[in-house]
Amino acid sequence: DTGVSQNPRHKITKRGQNVTFRCDPISEHNRLYWYRQTLGQGPEFLTYFQNEAQLEKSRLLSDRFSAERPKGSFSTLEIQRTEQGDSAMYLCASWMSAQTNYGYTFGSGTRLTVV
Amino acid sequence: AQSVAQPEDQVNVAEGNPLTVKCTYSVSGNPYLFWYVQYPNRGLQFLLKYITGDNLVKGSYGFEAEFNKSQTSFHLKKPSALVSDSALYFCAVRVPNQTGANNLFFGTGTRLTVIP
Repeated sequence: DTGVSQNPRHKITKRGQNVTFRCDPISEHNRLYWYRQTLGQGPEFLTYFQNEAQLEKSRLLSDRFSAERPKGSFSTLEIQRTEQGDSAMYLCASWMSAQTNYGYTFGSGTRLTVV
Repeated sequence: AQSVAQPEDQVNVAEGNPLTVKCTYSVSGNPYLFWYVQYPNRGLQFLLKYITGDNLVKGSYGFEAEFNKSQTSFHLKKPSALVSDSALYFCAVRVPNQTGANNLFFGTGTRLTVIP
């Protein structure tokens, strides 16, 4: 296991289409986070899972966004009816809550462009 | 509510000179503080953290940071900059036992350029 994997790396979609991103965390990590990063900004928290349970959602996560982690392993983030304002880098991070270093491991992200 | 400020969008430093990337925070409890680095088209890499204990923490690649509670700062430092240190640096804070305690709140980032 070489780290957190995100697919696809890039996605261009037309406004109004649905998109889905996938994140494969480090296998022993029980926590998985989704962040969004727009140009010139730091990452903004969207949601996180502990195992398969979605424990917290940001107000940024509108009803067009949904995330799942069905078996407590990989996670998907779906955006329905995409808008140009959804264009951003979507980052996934994982963490073992028992770790002492408190440092998340981030994936390389999925860059979404809505045209 | 938690917030993190990185007052400098851009820091330029000559190779071999010491570097400082500034970070201040505003929280209502005792913070956990972090520095991450982001290279182009890559995810964020963890550099170092302050949780408790010694105010001076050492991290990866020769970086260190000093927690200053009175000034609510956590500046990132390195004694001698390398060209390969050029990247985007993010400060982040987490406040346990509060709303959003499980999340990291990030600053807007500082782009460090080390000039050969």
